[in-house]
Amino acid sequence: DIVMTQSPDSLAVSLGERATINCKSSQSVLYSSNNKNYLAWYQQKPGQPPKLLIYWASTRESGVPDRFSGSGSGTDFTLTISSLQAEDVAVYYCQQYYSTPPVTFGQGTRLEIK
Amino acid sequence: QVQLVQSGAEVKKPGASVKVSCKASGYTFTSYYMHWVRQAPGQGLEWMGIINPSGGSTSYAQKFQGRVTMTRDTSTSTVYMELSSLRSEDTAVYYCAKDDYGDYYMDVWGKGTTVTVSS
Repeated sequence: DIVMTQSPDSLAVSLGERATINCKSSQSVLYSSNNKNYLAWYQQKPGQPPKLLIYWASTRESGVPDRFSGSGSGTDFTLTISSLQAEDVAVYYCQQYYSTPPVTFGQGTRLEIK
Repeated sequence: QVQLVQSGAEVKKPGASVKVSCKASGYTFTSYYMHWVRQAPGQGLEWMGIINPSGGSTSYAQKFQGRVTMTRDTSTSTVYMELSSLRSEDTAVYYCAKDDYGDYYMDVWGKGTTVTVSS
């Protein structure tokens, strides 16, 4: 199974500042035949189910604010929130879907306001 | 709009089984796979398996093989997840989540069903 490791485990950022969350996979999730990275990002606010933010590593889901962006390729990926808003406080998870089953998730990164 | 409505909270004794339902609406039920993901208290997300509502084929995480059964009822657009031989470690919120075009990422999630296993 592909192991997904996120860093840091928790992060405190001031309002309006940039937040960066990293995700590393134990093997490449880039499929060479279509040049797509099989990597998604989710946001989970307290008491709510996860919400899809990003898929194919960098494609924003419809309705997701453009302050959220995804980047990276192969084994190293980043979720960036360009200007942190109060409503962005949440736990963020990366997920690989390159080698399935099983789908595997990172352990999560808790984002708070400094 | 796409909605996944899950059944209510359950309290079960160790060794019992639980069956959670997830009723889909707002899209063609048989056109999209459905995942089940669970989350223990204060923990991360754990994928349990997937069902193809069209033919009913399933694929389960190895950890749950032999204990989990996913089924569907196309007449009611409902998928079910049954977990047997429950133990305290199965206490968790169980989510159904719609797959997006067979690519194994999840674009719509149910609100979750809390299952508590306690003697």
